[in-house]
Amino acid sequence: EVQLVESGGGLVQPGGSLRLSCAASGFTFRSYWMHWVRQAPGKGLVWVSHITSDGSSTYYADSVKGRFTISRDNAKNTLYLQMNSLRAEDTAVYYCTSDISGFFDYWGQGTLVSVSS
Amino acid sequence: EIVMTQSPATLSVSPGERATLSCRASQSVSSNLAWYQQKSGQAPRLLIYDASTRATGIPARFSGSGSGTEFTLTISSLQSEDFAVYYCQQFHNWPKTFGQGTKVEIK
Repeated sequence: EVQLVESGGGLVQPGGSLRLSCAASGFTFRSYWMHWVRQAPGKGLVWVSHITSDGSSTYYADSVKGRFTISRDNAKNTLYLQMNSLRAEDTAVYYCTSDISGFFDYWGQGTLVSVSS
Repeated sequence: EIVMTQSPATLSVSPGERATLSCRASQSVSSNLAWYQQKSGQAPRLLIYDASTRATGIPARFSGSGSGTEFTLTISSLQSEDFAVYYCQQFHNWPKTFGQGTKVEIK
């Protein structure tokens, strides 16, 4: 059974940092591109960041470029998102999702990040 | 950036009836379009990819059509478990963009 389990969310003050993790199992993690997608409360889905299967290339939405860093450890089957200089508008549920052919086939249950003083 | 526009924002349908959801792209995305279902408090689930291919385990009552800039998701006979929010997403160009969603509610 495919599983993606996010962790690391929580309440943080503006300007603070958090590191999200996504533990993958049940599929060949090292073969998949991986993404982070977020959803602000009551809003729609927004793509945040992407990393290729071997970790050699990364991409970011303009809204997080320079503040967020995506990475992965294929030996540990784990995806990460380091989030720095957090803003109120970063408040959202963050989902990790897999991509073998361009679309998002597997999704985690999400982890909530709240940025507030 | 390709803008995806879904209509209507909310669709009120009785169980057993047909639901038709629309998605329009601001420029051609060929057939590089997916549909996702999201129930309240849950993660999205892939329904359709490549505009018309059902994902594994998705019932045949869900069908997708279209190419270029106009796409449709049809649910042939709504079941109680189908009331949810549906998103389209293009994966033709970066960044991969979603529509704003269509909420299918019980009439």
